[in-house]
Amino acid sequence: DQQVKQNSPSLSVQEGRISILNCDYTNSMFDYFLWYKKYPAEGPTFLISISSIKDKNEDGRFTVFLNKSAKHLSLHIVPSQPGDSAVYFCAARESGGGADGLTFGKGTHLIIQP
Amino acid sequence: EPEVTQTPSHQVTQMGQEVILRCVPISNHLYFYWYRQILGQKVEFLVSFYNNEISEKSEIFDDQFSVERPDGSNFTLKIRSTKLEDSAMYFCASSGAGRNTGELFFGEGSRLTVL
Repeated sequence: DQQVKQNSPSLSVQEGRISILNCDYTNSMFDYFLWYKKYPAEGPTFLISISSIKDKNEDGRFTVFLNKSAKHLSLHIVPSQPGDSAVYFCAARESGGGADGLTFGKGTHLIIQP
Repeated sequence: EPEVTQTPSHQVTQMGQEVILRCVPISNHLYFYWYRQILGQKVEFLVSFYNNEISEKSEIFDDQFSVERPDGSNFTLKIRSTKLEDSAMYFCASSGAGRNTGELFFGEGSRLTVL
């Protein structure tokens, strides 16, 4: 039962262009969403988050968009840089009396080509 | 910058043995977590811990697993009688905020290999 889905296992983008990573969710109790970046042999590193009361959150080159009606969020990275090559995980958390833990997607491997 | 540290970075054990994975969360954080990632699969929630007790656990976290905060700084995951399928990367995480706000900070992980 995949409550958080990242349907693209990998994405290749040229340096300097925009990278768009997508994430869909099925659990309507999720109300807080996060993106994590992971390099090989390291733990996930927090990138950016968004609460369900917002539809956009921006931090430097990273912007997360949330479409609640479509249960879809996306992470935009612009401009993409070689150091952005990593696996990106979408994660979500339930509100109120729901689970403490984050539910992760399977990840998208972003490859930035020079 | 404060960080979550985990030891050992890699442990190899025989099936049936007990393993303890150790974590030092960020010092002023109040919420602690264990996650695991089996090779090629997604990161899975195991357990969360707050105020010296488990606050949530997943179906994966059965009687084979236990967590403890033996002192003011360490947070441990014990796996009794390890099985081949316990081979995975185990990540500890901590957060300072409550369940619905704030991000989790992850350690670099402990790789467990069960032979």
